[in-house]
Amino acid sequence: GQQLNQSPQSMFIQEGEDVSMNCTSSSIFNTWLWYKQDPGEGPVLLIALYKAGELTSNGRLTAQFGITRKDSFLNISASIPSDVGIYFCAGHPPVGGTSYGKLTFGQGTILTVHP
Amino acid sequence: DSGVTQTPKHLITATGQRVTLRCSPRSGDLSVYWYQQSLDQGLQFLIHYYNGEERAKGNILERFSAQQFPDLHSELNLSSLELGDSALYFCASSAGGGITDTQYFGPGTRLTVL
Repeated sequence: GQQLNQSPQSMFIQEGEDVSMNCTSSSIFNTWLWYKQDPGEGPVLLIALYKAGELTSNGRLTAQFGITRKDSFLNISASIPSDVGIYFCAGHPPVGGTSYGKLTFGQGTILTVHP
Repeated sequence: DSGVTQTPKHLITATGQRVTLRCSPRSGDLSVYWYQQSLDQGLQFLIHYYNGEERAKGNILERFSAQQFPDLHSELNLSSLELGDSALYFCASSAGGGITDTQYFGPGTRLTVL
């Protein structure tokens, strides 16, 4: 099945620093989504990308849908303590394959922000 | 609060037993999705229902089954439980069933099989 490789696995940063994480796949995806999960909660959608090359911002967050449709990155600027959590990339494989409609998740990036 | 409710929040049971997890979608949402989150497998899609009908199946074991009722709530049944079934089980809902419909996740049910 489709697999998403997310990196880095974890990050330890100081408050105020910028953060960058990315996701790659060996096959193309029709959508790229970025979720955040806080302890004891379900994932919450941060940014959704639907077109190759699309660059979208949500406050201090910026994400891009790679032009090859096989990758995406998420940047967080000027990190704050409440950015702590696990960030997941996710995507939908193309129409017609056996995985269509089945949202596939990366393994997650654990972000720790030191005040 | 996503508007998706899941019960129970925690469940502890023994191997070989059967449990039922319940999910109520956001008001007006027709789709319900089930996911399993474990340390070794990450977040895995299990199954998708739209307006009472199964739409897509993922890595769902034959020992697991689900259904969506006329009032749109859904239940995930896990039987002949094994130690490896211990995980967080999430339900998500969306308005429609398409890939551009945002999925809103519930708080999850933590299942522990002893």
